[in-house]
Amino acid sequence: DGGITQSPKYLFRKEGQNVTLSCEQNLNHDAMYWYRQDPGQGLRLIYYSQIVNDFQKGDIAEGYSVSREKKESFPLTVTSAQKNPTAFYLCASSISGGYTDTQYFGPGTRLTVL
Amino acid sequence: GDSVTQMEGPVTLSEEAFLTINCTYTATGYPSLFWYVQYPGEGLQLLLKATKADDKGSNKGFEATYRKETTSFHLEKGSVQVSDSAVYFCALIGNNQGGKLIFGQGTELSVKP
Repeated sequence: DGGITQSPKYLFRKEGQNVTLSCEQNLNHDAMYWYRQDPGQGLRLIYYSQIVNDFQKGDIAEGYSVSREKKESFPLTVTSAQKNPTAFYLCASSISGGYTDTQYFGPGTRLTVL
Repeated sequence: GDSVTQMEGPVTLSEEAFLTINCTYTATGYPSLFWYVQYPGEGLQLLLKATKADDKGSNKGFEATYRKETTSFHLEKGSVQVSDSAVYFCALIGNNQGGKLIFGQGTELSVKP
């Protein structure tokens, strides 16, 4: 089955640690996205990539980093510089990143800072 | 910048009631409009979309029409079921925005038997 997988489902981080969230897709999509969701709010864009080895900052990139070495993979690292990282993180992909393209979402990773 | 405003929730309805969730947007040019649904603890699923003015998106009994004159994309369903209980997000992608989805804050729907 084609789709987007995210791991782990739940992640706990101590203060001062970096953690990496995995996102993999087998849809052969060029564009991939990371969003953050806070309780009672809509999603906000962290980073996006429309092609391998290239990515752009979204609205809330501070304290996060990404890489796009393979078409299928777009891992997100939450660094210790992120002041309030506890949130639900969602990865998405679309065919080419065009404005009419549908974005398909993974099941999400819930990150909690202890 | 571009933005989306949806009616606040929670919305509580009885089974078989009529549903409307209002959504209005602000954008330059001609954005594409989307409704996504999120069940507890899960990711988002596309419910329907419309990519040009006067288009009607429909799926699973839900409908929404892209109204450029009122900058609206209201979600409707004639008869809701308990299984429709979820959070609904209205969103847009503007022209030349790298495919960035801009979301409303979400509307929680609870359907009682």
